[in-house]
Amino acid sequence: DAGVTQSPTHLIKTRGQQVTLRCSPKSGHDTVSWYQQALGQGPQFIFQYYEEEERQRGNFPDRFSGHQFPNYSSELNVNALLLGDSALYLCASSLEIAINEQFFGPGTRLTVL
Amino acid sequence: AQSVTQPDIHITVSEGASLELRCNYSYGATPYLFWYVQSPGQGLQLLLKYFSGDTLVQGIKGFEAEFKRSQSSFNLRKPSVHWSDAAEYFCAVGAPDDYKLSFGAGTTVTVRA
Repeated sequence: DAGVTQSPTHLIKTRGQQVTLRCSPKSGHDTVSWYQQALGQGPQFIFQYYEEEERQRGNFPDRFSGHQFPNYSSELNVNALLLGDSALYLCASSLEIAINEQFFGPGTRLTVL
Repeated sequence: AQSVTQPDIHITVSEGASLELRCNYSYGATPYLFWYVQSPGQGLQLLLKYFSGDTLVQGIKGFEAEFKRSQSSFNLRKPSVHWSDAAEYFCAVGAPDDYKLSFGAGTTVTVRA
């Protein structure tokens, strides 16, 4: 049973660029959440997608956007990158009927220079 | 909104000794509570969860946690620590009326021989 997968593993960008991160949920899961984990901190909720719609958003600017596809996979897009966007980006999947039980992927390490 | 405090930033314990990690939450009703473990450069692995019922919950890798409503706490314990338990541990809280998980800042556990 495949768990949550994310790509790429690592990414280096420069300020002002745009980045797209990808996530495939655990088999059978229909909901995807994205979290940002800055160095030395706990994960912070960015947003959650269900039925291809963003249904909850954390305290992140509009530069952060996402998408969910019919196969439940998801993308996180960040525009106009800032140095402060450097972090580990974690994707978590869950079932709508057990929404709080979230399973995390290994993350994408984004470095902005 | 719910929140989590992990009072200990770093704990050092000898191999074979017991371990207790503290977690205090803030939420008006009975929350959903979780402990996750993160090894260096890795994603989060769920150790155990509490939704309702028995306040002592057993998890993987020999961990257990006890929910104490009167103290708003959900402390994690392990009777005998192994060197492989060295990692970062995160307590998280969810709620029936919310889709996100809110994480504490984490506790780093170092195991000495």
